[in-house]
Amino acid sequence: DVKVTQSSRYLVKRTGEKVFLECVQDMDHENMFWYRQDPGLGLRLIYFSYDVKMKEKGDIPEGYSVSREKKERFSLILESASTNQTSMYLCASRTVGTNTEAFFGQGTRLTVV
Amino acid sequence: DAKTTQPPSMDCAEGRAANLPCNHSTISGNEYVYWYRQIHSQGPQYIIHGLKNNETNEMASLIITEDRKSSTLILPHATLRDTAVYYCIVRPAYSGNTGKLIFGQGTTLQVKP
Repeated sequence: DVKVTQSSRYLVKRTGEKVFLECVQDMDHENMFWYRQDPGLGLRLIYFSYDVKMKEKGDIPEGYSVSREKKERFSLILESASTNQTSMYLCASRTVGTNTEAFFGQGTRLTVV
Repeated sequence: DAKTTQPPSMDCAEGRAANLPCNHSTISGNEYVYWYRQIHSQGPQYIIHGLKNNETNEMASLIITEDRKSSTLILPHATLRDTAVYYCIVRPAYSGNTGKLIFGQGTTLQVKP
């Protein structure tokens, strides 16, 4: 079974802290995604990486950066966490090809206080 | 990727069919319709996809109109465990370095006893 693992299920950080959210997939997928999910807003794409060291901004990249140094790992970085970044963060991966499905991690609920 | 429109919420009685509609009037010829669902506190999970013919698998059926501008996901005998948020998205068949996966707000399906 494909496994997408997010490093933390729950995280509490202080305003201004640098925060790293880690995501690892074990199926050699080329594409990886970071989303945030807020009540009433659905899933919103923050960043997309289509291969190692390659990235594209999603719909809401402001306040975030990403790192993809190895194929299996995609990190989301909050340079200076703010309270409006309190949210559920979801990572997903997908192989390149025709009609490939995306696999999601369980999510990290981040609270910035 | 084309945008989709879904009702924000629906109810369904346990054991009855749940019919979840999705409008995708700007879908282009090479785009498929995909459905995912997200059960509370879990990451989204793939359900089914289709291009223009009706599709069925062990989880659901997908009916796409002839003009492809809308579709309906059918859960033939809904159970309480089908209570979830259902997302309809459209995307090209081939996912590569342009394969952003854009979700909308989805439909919250509440299956009631």
